[in-house]
Amino acid sequence: AQSVTQPDIHITVSEGASLELRCNYSYGATPYLFWYVQSPGQGLQLLLKYFSGDTLVQGIKGFEAEFKRSQSSFNLRKPSVHWSDAAEYFCAVGALRATGNQFYFGTGTSLTVIP
Amino acid sequence: DAMVIQNPRYQVTQFGKPVTLSCSQTLNHNVMYWYQQKSSQAPKLLFHYYDKDFNNEADTPDNFQSRRPNTSFCFLDIRSPGLGDAAMYLCATSRPTGGGETQYFGPGTRLLVL
Repeated sequence: AQSVTQPDIHITVSEGASLELRCNYSYGATPYLFWYVQSPGQGLQLLLKYFSGDTLVQGIKGFEAEFKRSQSSFNLRKPSVHWSDAAEYFCAVGALRATGNQFYFGTGTSLTVIP
Repeated sequence: DAMVIQNPRYQVTQFGKPVTLSCSQTLNHNVMYWYQQKSSQAPKLLFHYYDKDFNNEADTPDNFQSRRPNTSFCFLDIRSPGLGDAAMYLCATSRPTGGGETQYFGPGTRLLVL
């Protein structure tokens, strides 16, 4: 069965520090992987996605993620965090179905940025 | 800009009083989804439409219904809201590509049940 695990419920980093959010997935076929960000009271905004090809993908707002098949991971990184990055981050795997692509979301990682 | 729009952004209803949430899209996507997201939890898929075909998730309560009168609009009807239905409701759309298509989310409607 498909599943996504985000081991860190909450992370606190200092502004300017580097960031890595972990995501592990379970999926029997080639995964389609996504990272979304959600600010309080808002919908989900796509940060980046991996479908195939280069395993290091670049996204918006200076984020990147690396797909590692051997580790079943798709960790999100940013070299220097800004205060505006404080939000909830969701990793998701997309599973193909005949009726549309179903997403399996992780439980999210809440990021706090301290000055 | 092409987008997913949800109205209203905040909805207050009374226990047991039917309520309808609205979603519209200018992306011309075939698939529209409704998710329920409770505080500090991941979004939970309730159902989705592939064109006019309705697909209900097995654990979605009968209290939740949906309508899609045309490509652009999709509605979520909660027939008798309970206190446990207070949540953020997210609408999303996608266009099937035979691969891993992206889902595009609206800003959500926050539902409060009194």
